[in-house]
Amino acid sequence: NAGVTQTPKFQVLKTGQSMTLQCAQDMNHNSMYWYRQDPGMGLRLIYYSASEGTTDKGEVPNGYNVSRLNKREFSLRLESAAPSQTSVYFCASSGASGTSIFYGYTFGSGTRLTVV
Amino acid sequence: QKEVEQNSGPLSVPEGAIASLNCTYSDRGSQSFFWYRQYSGKSPELIMSIYSNGDKEDGRFTAQLNKASQYVSLLIRDSQPSDSATYLCAARAAGGYNKLIFGAGTRLAVHP
Repeated sequence: NAGVTQTPKFQVLKTGQSMTLQCAQDMNHNSMYWYRQDPGMGLRLIYYSASEGTTDKGEVPNGYNVSRLNKREFSLRLESAAPSQTSVYFCASSGASGTSIFYGYTFGSGTRLTVV
Repeated sequence: QKEVEQNSGPLSVPEGAIASLNCTYSDRGSQSFFWYRQYSGKSPELIMSIYSNGDKEDGRFTAQLNKASQYVSLLIRDSQPSDSATYLCAARAAGGYNKLIFGAGTRLAVHP
């Protein structure tokens, strides 16, 4: 039972390069999320997908795009990387939808991205 | 901007003592609260959730919620060096879609 799988675990990009962070969950969860974590700032929501076929902006969406490919997969794309996007990126999923009880997130192991 | 505030620490406690971690939130519409533990270089791991005013106990952990004061706490009894980690408080944002708003975390150091 893998839970939430993120790839890659580490990446170094040059300014202006593009890349896609991959996330897949095998828990049949409806909702998926992308967060970034920076020292002293906690986890900030970039984008989320409440259900297959929908995506919405979070707190810090600028410079990012997402795709909910199917129920399992939710990818995050950096079109033109900037040093300010150096961070640790976490994908998460949750099973609740609508007004059902929400039990919190399951997180992936994270991607440590450095933009030079 | 809805916020969750935590003291960044570090909170240093001796082994065997009670560690008390605190959190306040600004969104009065939040109804669900979560505590995550994050070891250095690892991903957050859910340890407690609380939905109603009062206390909720799970082993050595007790979560406390006071919605009137917009205050959440986590008590860790008989603290162990393995409890040394950053503890993240999170509130479910009002309005649906199950978005969590996280505090910046409190670093706990348990020394032998």
